[in-house]
Amino acid sequence: QKEVEQDPGPLSVPEGAIVSLNCTYSNSAFQYFMWYRQYSRKGPELLMYTYSSGNKEDGRFTAQVDKSSKYISLFIRDSQPSDSATYLCAMSLTDSWGKFQFGAGTQVVVTP
Amino acid sequence: EAEVAQSPRYKITEKSQAVAFWCDPISGHATLYWYRQILGQGPELLVQFQDESVVDDSQLPKDRFSAERLKGVDSTLKIQPAELGDSAMYLCASSPGRFQETQYFGPGTRLLVL
Repeated sequence: QKEVEQDPGPLSVPEGAIVSLNCTYSNSAFQYFMWYRQYSRKGPELLMYTYSSGNKEDGRFTAQVDKSSKYISLFIRDSQPSDSATYLCAMSLTDSWGKFQFGAGTQVVVTP
Repeated sequence: EAEVAQSPRYKITEKSQAVAFWCDPISGHATLYWYRQILGQGPELLVQFQDESVVDDSQLPKDRFSAERLKGVDSTLKIQPAELGDSAMYLCASSPGRFQETQYFGPGTRLLVL
């Protein structure tokens, strides 16, 4: 069993809809949680970064961490065709010197 | 905006040949990472440098892979000999320091081994 599980999708939504993405994990010691966006044939780019539990909002993006359930979420409001990409969750331990465990990524397609 | 540079962007080689990838991190970033991303999967860490020192290479197949960061700036990842299963995207990332810092990724080198 992988430490980080993520549904590969594809997840298809109409423009303007809310995109809901999530990851589950098995290691309760993870403290840092990240969401990356990766366009086809490009490197991942950081969207959101959260420490421990709680919510964080940045523009149209909201990240949630529920450590009791070992579950993290990313919501994208007012989705645009330019949001079509693969979204990767990543997480790490406090003392792991930045060693990230990535999910497999969820492919999102926003249709006009 | 500063970016992580990688070259080449694409590489096609035959099995048993040697290949090398180059990465130039964001200026001033002490930590450099090499990842391998197989199609449909998330990136997996191969090696992590803090300045010129290797911090973690536990997942690096050392019989065929090597990595160096001689002056603590740019880095080279080498595969010799390449195998069919090495076909993947090789990503370089950098971060300012040793602790839980944001990792900035380069565009990657897509390797195809025939």
